[in-house]
Amino acid sequence: AAGVIQSPRHLIKEKRETATLKCYPIPRHDTVYWYQQGPGQDPQFLISFYEKMQSDKGSIPDRFSAQQFSDYHSELNMSSLELGDSALYFCASSFPSGIGGYEQYFGPGTRLTVT
Amino acid sequence: AQSVTQPDIHITVSEGASLELRCNYSYGATPYLFWYVQSPGQGLQLLLKYFSGDTLVQGIKGFEAEFKRSQSSFNLRKPSVHWSDAAEYFCAVGAHQTGANNLFFGTGTRLTVIP
Repeated sequence: AAGVIQSPRHLIKEKRETATLKCYPIPRHDTVYWYQQGPGQDPQFLISFYEKMQSDKGSIPDRFSAQQFSDYHSELNMSSLELGDSALYFCASSFPSGIGGYEQYFGPGTRLTVT
Repeated sequence: AQSVTQPDIHITVSEGASLELRCNYSYGATPYLFWYVQSPGQGLQLLLKYFSGDTLVQGIKGFEAEFKRSQSSFNLRKPSVHWSDAAEYFCAVGAHQTGANNLFFGTGTRLTVIP
């Protein structure tokens, strides 16, 4: 079965650089979520999109922005990177309606290292 | 506000022994509860979920969990652990009361399986 695809899987950037992470949801899923997992930490919700509109916002820094495109893929843009942004970034997708919206399927993650 | 507590940071069990991972939640309404498993460097895989109905839910890989409203708990169990079960386990609650679909995770329990 198709799963959530994230690219790149690994990314190394220097401080103050920018990074773009991409997420391709499971076919027919139109809700996308982004989570950040620091070393030894639990995943923290950043932001979500439903039908290309932002649906909820969590602890996403102002330096980060995201959007969902017409094909439902999503991109997380990160600017002015800081050392503390080094983490595993997960994308998840789900059906939007009712209870189904809570059954989120996670991608393998993008490991971002900021040096 | 919703929160999830996993009291055990690290648990070690022998292969073939039974397992119980604890999860306590705080939520103002009937919670949507989940258990995810994460192998090193990998994404999060959904083991099982509870929305309503039967309080004992069956999941994949032989796992089950029981929702106990009186104890605000959703403990994960497996009767006989296999070496391949060694991983990080996260309990999560869905924030549906606010109309949002994002998940709040506990801090995780690392399971080590010894021969």
